[in-house]
Amino acid sequence: DVKVTQSSRYLVKRTGEKVFLECVQDMDHENMFWYRQDPGLGLRLIYFSYDVKMKEKGDIPEGYSVSREKKERFSLILESASTNQTSMYLCASSGQAGGELFFGEGSRLTVL
Amino acid sequence: KNEVEQSPQNLTAQEGEFITINCSYSVGISALHWLQQHPGGGIVSLFMLSSGKKKHGRLIATINIQEKHSSLHITASHPRDSAVYICAVRPSGGGADGLTFGKGTHLIIQP
Repeated sequence: DVKVTQSSRYLVKRTGEKVFLECVQDMDHENMFWYRQDPGLGLRLIYFSYDVKMKEKGDIPEGYSVSREKKERFSLILESASTNQTSMYLCASSGQAGGELFFGEGSRLTVL
Repeated sequence: KNEVEQSPQNLTAQEGEFITINCSYSVGISALHWLQQHPGGGIVSLFMLSSGKKKHGRLIATINIQEKHSSLHITASHPRDSAVYICAVRPSGGGADGLTFGKGTHLIIQP
């Protein structure tokens, strides 16, 4: 079974803390994505990567950074968490541009 | 700007009913995705289509490119179909990620 695995299902952090969300896929996909999902707003793209060490800003990159040192792993970093970053974070991958997306289970982050 | 509108936003139906969820978009597209999200978060891709119709089990997806409209149908609905259904489109000429997502349709199937 193909799989996208996110490191944490639930996290609670304090304002100002550094937060790492990790995503690993086992499908040898080139493309990986980080989305956040908020009620009434739907899914919004934070960052994506189409190759190792490559990254592109999505629609809402402010306050976030990413790292892709290996093809299978894409990390989302919140340098200094703020309460407005409380959200559901979803990682996805695809084997080709415009191809089918495979999602992880999501990481629900609460920033107090 | 590409807009993706889904209707209805919320739908409650009885087990066994035929369900239709609609998706309209405003620009030319190369593909449309239907996604399913169960409570707890994980999203599963149901269909990716660019023309015509696709069927998988009790699920059917259709698209009318000229009318910029797609429908997702569920036949003989079951409580396990309760989920949020999300439509996403890829505009023509979109890059590695040009997806625009609808806000989702929250479906509840009562026994």
